[in-house]
Amino acid sequence: AQSVTQLGSHVSVSEGALVLLRCNYSSSVPPYLFWYVQYPNQGLQLLLKYTTGATLVKGINGFEAEFKKSETSFHLTKPSAHMSDAAEYFCAVRRAGGTSYGKLTFGQGTILTVHP
Amino acid sequence: NAGVMQNPRHLVRRRGQEARLRCSPMKGHSHVYWYRQLPEEGLKFMVYLQKENIIDESGMPKERFSAEFPKEGPSILRIQQVVRGDSAAYFCASSPLSGGEETQYFGPGTRLLVL
Repeated sequence: AQSVTQLGSHVSVSEGALVLLRCNYSSSVPPYLFWYVQYPNQGLQLLLKYTTGATLVKGINGFEAEFKKSETSFHLTKPSAHMSDAAEYFCAVRRAGGTSYGKLTFGQGTILTVHP
Repeated sequence: NAGVMQNPRHLVRRRGQEARLRCSPMKGHSHVYWYRQLPEEGLKFMVYLQKENIIDESGMPKERFSAEFPKEGPSILRIQQVVRGDSAAYFCASSPLSGGEETQYFGPGTRLLVL
């Protein structure tokens, strides 16, 4: 079974400050890892994903995440927050193979607030 | 290329009625996933379908819920005899292939309110 834990349901930063959203996963097999962003009353948009290869993954809008197998983590960062980054962020894990490899398992989400 | 389309965007039903949610995947995508987002919770997987086949329905409630993805037309998530606890946002996602590394593209969701 897989699970995802996002530490901090709410994170607040000032515009221009570092954004750090934490994600830890549990998986019995090597996982694929994803970060999605959801703006109010909209669907989810993919920010970035890790499948294989380089453990530091760069995504859209200046976000990046690093896969750390030893820490079972996939934290999302952005050097400088912008007001438009205010949204809810979801970390998700997916099995790399097996009969249930279709489904994504999501964390509870982290609401990011950006102050002027 | 149009994205994943869902309709209706908002649906209001009274207890005991039926709700039918439709999802048209992106062009060229033959894999559809349904997720439910309850208030104050993350998204939970419900069902994974390919054309005319249910591949994984491990997240579907045992009663009242059903899903289909016919050869022609959209995928349908059907909820019979709705109850207040069914009030949630229902999201559909699609992908072109079934590999684990494939990105799932999400629609805007259908927000169901049961009165």
